[in-house]
Amino acid sequence: QVQLQGSGPGLVKPSETLSLTCTVSGASMTNFYWAWIRQPPGKRLEWIGSIYYSGSTYYNPSLESRVTISVDTSKNLFDLKLTSVTAADTAVYYCARGLRFFHYWDKGNLVAVSS
Amino acid sequence: EIVLTQSPGTLSLSPGERATLSCRASQSVSSQLAWYQRKPGQAPRVFIYGASNRASGIPDRFSGSGSGTDFTLTITRLEPEDFAVYYCQQYGSSPYTFGQGTNLEIK
Repeated sequence: QVQLQGSGPGLVKPSETLSLTCTVSGASMTNFYWAWIRQPPGKRLEWIGSIYYSGSTYYNPSLESRVTISVDTSKNLFDLKLTSVTAADTAVYYCARGLRFFHYWDKGNLVAVSS
Repeated sequence: EIVLTQSPGTLSLSPGERATLSCRASQSVSSQLAWYQRKPGQAPRVFIYGASNRASGIPDRFSGSGSGTDFTLTITRLEPEDFAVYYCQQYGSSPYTFGQGTNLEIK
């Protein structure tokens, strides 16, 4: 059974970079897409972007200028970096498997942006 | 960007009853629609993809229907474990977007 676990700081200062890691266990990353999704308080779930195990990336245009998703299949993990964060980036961040829809998710990690 | 509108926002039903959840898209997504269940403290779980295909391990009391702009998730006989928030998501057009959710609660 595929399991994903996201990790990273729960608090980030405005204008800094939010960095999260998702560790995959129970299955190989090969031949699959991996994704980040977030949900700000009181708002809808938002697809941030997806990455193929080989490194090809697909981003939400609304975030593309600030987002980088990378993958390290040797360590069975993929990362999210979101630059120049503001309070609007406060959200529960989920990692998941999939390009366009998502079969497996982690439980989510709350990241707050505050000074 | 395609906007998904789910109705109702909250649905109060009793175990054993039938639940009908709706999702309407602002433009056609063909059959590129998924439904997810989310419970507090748990990872979201895909229930339906391709508008009508049950994901692995999903009971057959769950069914999805629709195409184009109007979709329905039906639960024929509610079990206690079915009470949760359900989201629809379209993947017919990037950016892939989600509905605002329907809270299925015990009456």
